[in-house]
Amino acid sequence: DAGVTQSPTHLIKTRGQQVTLRCSPKSGHDTVSWYQQALGQGPQFIFQYYEEEERQRGNFPDRFSGHQFPNYSSELNVNALLLGDSALYLCASSLRTSVNTEAFFGQGTRLTVV
Amino acid sequence: LAKTTQPISMDSYEGQEVNITCSHNNIATNDYITWYQQFPSQGPRFIIQGYKTKVTNEVASLFIPADRKSSTLSLPRVSLSDTAVYYCLVGELPTGGSYIPTFGRGTSLIVHP
Repeated sequence: DAGVTQSPTHLIKTRGQQVTLRCSPKSGHDTVSWYQQALGQGPQFIFQYYEEEERQRGNFPDRFSGHQFPNYSSELNVNALLLGDSALYLCASSLRTSVNTEAFFGQGTRLTVV
Repeated sequence: LAKTTQPISMDSYEGQEVNITCSHNNIATNDYITWYQQFPSQGPRFIIQGYKTKVTNEVASLFIPADRKSSTLSLPRVSLSDTAVYYCLVGELPTGGSYIPTFGRGTSLIVHP
């Protein structure tokens, strides 16, 4: 059973460019959340998707957008990249009807903005 | 959300028991306590969840006193591979939507040979 998979694993972009990161949730999961983790910090919640709609959003600007597809996979898009967007981007999947606090994380995409 | 406070870092040696305490003075009646573990360049991994008293699984134990204002994650006989960051989270079980873990800075545990 494949867990959460993210691609690419590493990425280098230039300031002002746009980037798309991808996530496939764990089999059977219908909800995907995205997090940004700066060096030395805990992961910060960006947004959560289920039923192909953004359901909750953290304190991130509109440059951060996402999408969820009918197969539950998801994309995170970041426009007009800033140096400060350099971070590990994590995807977490879960089941909407779950009543516990367990989320499954992928290994992340390391984004470097130069 | 209840604020959590935990030590920034801890050191231990192989074979010792490690106890990481988390303070959450403003925990609400419906809040549960959850711990996650994160290795470098990997996503966090769920360790254990509890509401009160003691919970034990194959990885760790979680001790929660009666007032629930703190909790202690206990790792028995640590090895070098337990070197990681450990996060204490407090929040309600999800209703009508998936749980959204909210992370602080965590405790960086270093296990020495």
